Amino acid sequence: SQKIEQNSEALNIQEGKTATLTCNYTNYSPAYLQWYRQDPGRGPVFLLLIRENEKEKRKERLKVTFDTTLKQSLFHITASQPADSATYLCALVTGTASKLTFGTGTRLQVTL
Amino acid sequence: DTGVSQDPRHKITKRGQNVTFRCDPISEHNRLYWYRQTLGQGPEFLTYFQNEAQLEKSRLLSDRFSAERPKGSFSTLEIQRTEQGDSAMYLCASRTAGTSVRTDTQYFGPGTRLTVL
Repeated sequence: SQKIEQNSEALNIQEGKTATLTCNYTNYSPAYLQWYRQDPGRGPVFLLLIRENEKEKRKERLKVTFDTTLKQSLFHITASQPADSATYLCALVTGTASKLTFGTGTRLQVTL
Repeated sequence: DTGVSQDPRHKITKRGQNVTFRCDPISEHNRLYWYRQTLGQGPEFLTYFQNEAQLEKSRLLSDRFSAERPKGSFSTLEIQRTEQGDSAMYLCASRTAGTSVRTDTQYFGPGTRLTVL
C-alpha cells in the first residue's frame, strides 16, 4: 500500500542548532515533492519544492534533499530560531491533477 | 495578490444540518483544490477543479458532499446531513496550470474549522 511517513514524535531542539526532518514514502513515483509549514489553526504555507531529477535545493536557512532510490526526503533548518516552531508537512505530487498527498507532519519545537 | 480566502473561518452545527463553505482563490489561478484535515493528520485530497470543471473526486467525498465552481472563480463545498465524523478543517488551495516552481505551488487558504455536535 502507499504510505508517506514523517516522524510522528515532536522534535525538540535548542536555538541555533540544525533541525533535520525526515519524509519516507513507499509505492509512489512522485514527479516532485514539496515541504510546507503549518501553524496551529492555519493553512499550510509553501516552503520548498524539489523535483525527482534534483538532489538538493536551498532557500535561505532551509535545505531539502530528495533521494528517489531511498524514497526519502530530508528537510533541514540551520541556525534554528524559536519562530521556526511549527508543524512541517511533506507532500508528494502525483497524477494529472497534481494533487498533494501529505504525510502526517512533524512538530518542531525550538527552545532558547 | 490577496491570497486564498475562505469563509466562514469557523462553523458549529448540529448533526443532520447542511453546511456550505466558500473559497475565493487567487484571481489568476485556474486550478482549485479542496482538502480535509483532521487533528494530528496531514490534509487529505477531496476534489479539484480546472476552471469550472470538476475533474477528480476522492472516494472520501461521499454523496453527502458536493462542490461547485461556477464560472471558474469562487468555489463552494456543501455537506448535507452532517455527521460528527465530518468535524475537521476544510482547506482550499489554488494554483495555475504549468510546470514551473511558481505554477506547481499550491497556495492554501486559512481553512474553515467545522464542528458537528
